[in-house]
Amino acid sequence: GQQVMQIPQYQHVQEGEDFTTYCNSSTTLSNIQWYKQRPGGHPVFLIQLVKSGEVKKQKRLTFQFGEAKKNSSLHITATQTTDVGTYFCAGPINAGNNRKLIWGLGTSLAVNP
Amino acid sequence: DTEVTQTPKHLVMGMTNKKSLKCEQHMGHRAMYWYKQKAKKPPELMFVYSYEKLSINESVPSRFSPECPNSSLLNLHLHALQPEDSALYLCASSQDLDFNYGYTFGSGTRLTVV
Repeated sequence: GQQVMQIPQYQHVQEGEDFTTYCNSSTTLSNIQWYKQRPGGHPVFLIQLVKSGEVKKQKRLTFQFGEAKKNSSLHITATQTTDVGTYFCAGPINAGNNRKLIWGLGTSLAVNP
Repeated sequence: DTEVTQTPKHLVMGMTNKKSLKCEQHMGHRAMYWYKQKAKKPPELMFVYSYEKLSINESVPSRFSPECPNSSLLNLHLHALQPEDSALYLCASSQDLDFNYGYTFGSGTRLTVV
């Protein structure tokens, strides 16, 4: 079936280092969404990418959507302790007569101060 | 108001109890969702409502019963749950089902079944 793979599963960095998480879909996606979930919290929508090759920035976060619309990445420059959490990618897939979001397994980021 | 409000925040219930989880949004969103999340896992879709009608039921056991009384409210009725149903239950909403917008999640109900 359709899958969204996300790597790495865990990443431990020193504060100030960069961090990247990668998301790969087995099929072409119409768009991809990224969410952040802090420990003990709930997922918070970060951004949606729609166009092939799209790049969007939010301060220290850079999001990319691949040319084939099957992969995406989130890069954080100079991590801070406030970046700690799990980052999920999610994309819509067809499910019978409906469409639903399929989620990656997430990348948990730990930042040492 | 840009929030999804869920009550209660925590719930402990016995396997013979009946309880309800509540979710409310006033953003005018027409799609609402129930998700279940286990520790260190992504959210797992349970139900989708669109314009107050049940659109998707992900083969959820009948001990979970959703209800959408109006466009702002979503309930999840719980009955005869099992310990393995202990999880974080998240409500979410979006403008519509077209995936043009991200989901807004509530802070969830942490459910423990004893």
